[in-house]
Amino acid sequence: ILNVEQSPQSLHVQEGDSTNFTCSFPSSNFYALHWYRWETAKSPEALFVMTLNGDEKKKGRISATLNTKEGYSYLYIKGSQPEDSATYLCAPRENRDDKIIFGKGTRLHILP
Amino acid sequence: NAGVTQTPKFRILKIGQSMTLQCTQDMNHNYMYWYRQDPGMGLKLIYYSVGAGITDKGEVPNGYNVSRSTTEDFPLRLELAAPSQTSVYFCASTLGGPGNTIYFGEGSWLTVV
Repeated sequence: ILNVEQSPQSLHVQEGDSTNFTCSFPSSNFYALHWYRWETAKSPEALFVMTLNGDEKKKGRISATLNTKEGYSYLYIKGSQPEDSATYLCAPRENRDDKIIFGKGTRLHILP
Repeated sequence: NAGVTQTPKFRILKIGQSMTLQCTQDMNHNYMYWYRQDPGMGLKLIYYSVGAGITDKGEVPNGYNVSRSTTEDFPLRLELAAPSQTSVYFCASTLGGPGNTIYFGEGSWLTVV
């Protein structure tokens, strides 16, 4: 899947507030979707792998949902903390396509 | 647990020089990938491989070459280095099924001067 859109590109959130952002992709031939958290100068950290329409996954204060029929996934962060500051990347995958293409990411800044 | 190992971690190259970034994984993964970090653009796929002897181009293959002679190793070669190739390079691997995590190496910082 080459047409991956992540929005917004950048986001400033007050510490303690909750936030969410979007990964959009073509809905045909869906295979899987990966969410990663990426800090500057570090390797990307796996958050979730989602495969089924309606999937909801949770890891601590972070959760994600998947809608393959309309072609989007939401990532939610509850009660933002300074350590949540990072770029969040998604990589939707098409069936029978071995390439893994990442979106440009959403850059999240947590304000103290 | 070694996972995905990249070497070198840091390298400075002069324009026109060549070098190879090494990547090895010990998880018996068939699928391996090379990415570069472009400012504001996230990760761009350079080349990938679905198994020993099979490689294919990604989004930004120009100026690079790869080989995959074994399941474990997936080296990335830069021929005639250019300043535009200054970047952080990440190698990644996965088993390949839909629910499988992609594991990343720690990155190789390359500067071309």
